Amino acid sequence: EVQLVESGGGLVQPGRSLRLSCAASGFTFDDYAMHWVRQVPGKGLEWVSGISWNSGTIDYADSVKGRFTISRDNAKNSLYLQMNSLRAEDTALYFCAKNSRYRDPIDAFDIWGQGTMVTVSS
Amino acid sequence: QSVLTQPPSVSGAPGQRVTISCTGSSSNIGAGYDVHWYQQLPGTAPKLLIYGNSNRPSGIPDRFSGSKSDTSASLAITGLQAEDEADYYCQSYDSSLSGVVFGGGTKLTVL
Repeated sequence: EVQLVESGGGLVQPGRSLRLSCAASGFTFDDYAMHWVRQVPGKGLEWVSGISWNSGTIDYADSVKGRFTISRDNAKNSLYLQMNSLRAEDTALYFCAKNSRYRDPIDAFDIWGQGTMVTVSS
Repeated sequence: QSVLTQPPSVSGAPGQRVTISCTGSSSNIGAGYDVHWYQQLPGTAPKLLIYGNSNRPSGIPDRFSGSKSDTSASLAITGLQAEDEADYYCQSYDSSLSGVVFGGGTKLTVL
């Protein structure tokens, strides 16, 4: 079964750091770009960051540029999001998502995890 | 304010047809980037509904269809069913932002 499982969310104080992980299974992880998308409860989807299959291309939304770092470990079938200098406005449910097209940096997201909640509050 | 503009809500009776628009600009849809559509049921992760403007993934009924023209795209749902009640999002790529962009989402209510 193709599956993405996020972990690492929780309650964190403003200015602190948190690292999210996404474990992939059921497909050849290193053939596909991966992304992080977040959603404030009750609000819309916001793309956060994406990384190509070989980590050669990395993009960030302006709202997180300079604070968040996306990475992947293809040997471990895992995607990560290092979040530093967290702000209240980073509070959201964070989804990892798989790119649908083989080795294409940007395309539709055909598989999504269930998300991990990040709450930034003092 | 989302880069892609969707109506906040649409509604229709069972069996009817509804459309959801997604309006972009020359740096995203108008630049030729594909539009994709997602359905998000309450409390669940988004699900890919339409990819590459008009293609349906395996398992998506043909009641759902997508189209694209100039700087906008549309999702059409025919034969509305109660289980179609959900939030719908369009997605594309924006060259000015160098990133993926989503529409603000449209809540579909089946009357």
